[in-house]
Amino acid sequence: KQEVTQIPAALSVPEGENLVLNCSFTDSAIYNLQWFRQDPGKGLTSLLLIQSSQREQTSGRLNASLDKSSGRSTLYIAASQPGDSATYLCALANQAGTALIFGKGTTLSVSS
Amino acid sequence: SQTIHQWPATLVQPVGSPLSLECTVEGTSNPNLYWYRQAAGRGLQLLFYSVGIGQISSEVPQNLSASRPQDRQFILSSKKLLLSDSGFYLCAWSRTSYEQYFGPGTRLTVT
Repeated sequence: KQEVTQIPAALSVPEGENLVLNCSFTDSAIYNLQWFRQDPGKGLTSLLLIQSSQREQTSGRLNASLDKSSGRSTLYIAASQPGDSATYLCALANQAGTALIFGKGTTLSVSS
Repeated sequence: SQTIHQWPATLVQPVGSPLSLECTVEGTSNPNLYWYRQAAGRGLQLLFYSVGIGQISSEVPQNLSASRPQDRQFILSSKKLLLSDSGFYLCAWSRTSYEQYFGPGTRLTVT
């Protein structure tokens, strides 16, 4: 059974820091992996999608990497801002079109 | 562009009452549709998904049911709510890339 773990559960950093959020999974046979952002009481916003054949994806200050052999993905946030404060969720699909399996998230707080 | 709607945004219902949550998607056709629940202190859990009209797959046995009466409409229902049904319900859609896009969610409190 696929399990997704995110460490740390919470992270507090001062504005301007570069930071890395970690996601690990137990079964490397994945179809794709998505990183989401969730603000309190809101739905999920898709940040980056990495297909199983890809190693990384970039969008603005965000860079996500995927290493299937080690069962790991990282989300790198450059030059963090207070507006980046949110919960970041990692989720993956084992097969095309099936449900996402989510980690419990990392709650990020960026102080000004 | 594609848009996903959910309503109501919040709902407070007594134990034993019925439930109907609605999700609609605009700007795409034949999407895969999903219902997830996010309970306090737990991760997101898939409840149902659908690859077409009338085609529903259930991931977790429970007192909830889902229906897809139209291509871009997905409904979550219950005949009798339990306290444990409280949570944040999220609808999502995907298409060819299988990237999932989520709606704004419905906060359900069962009292």
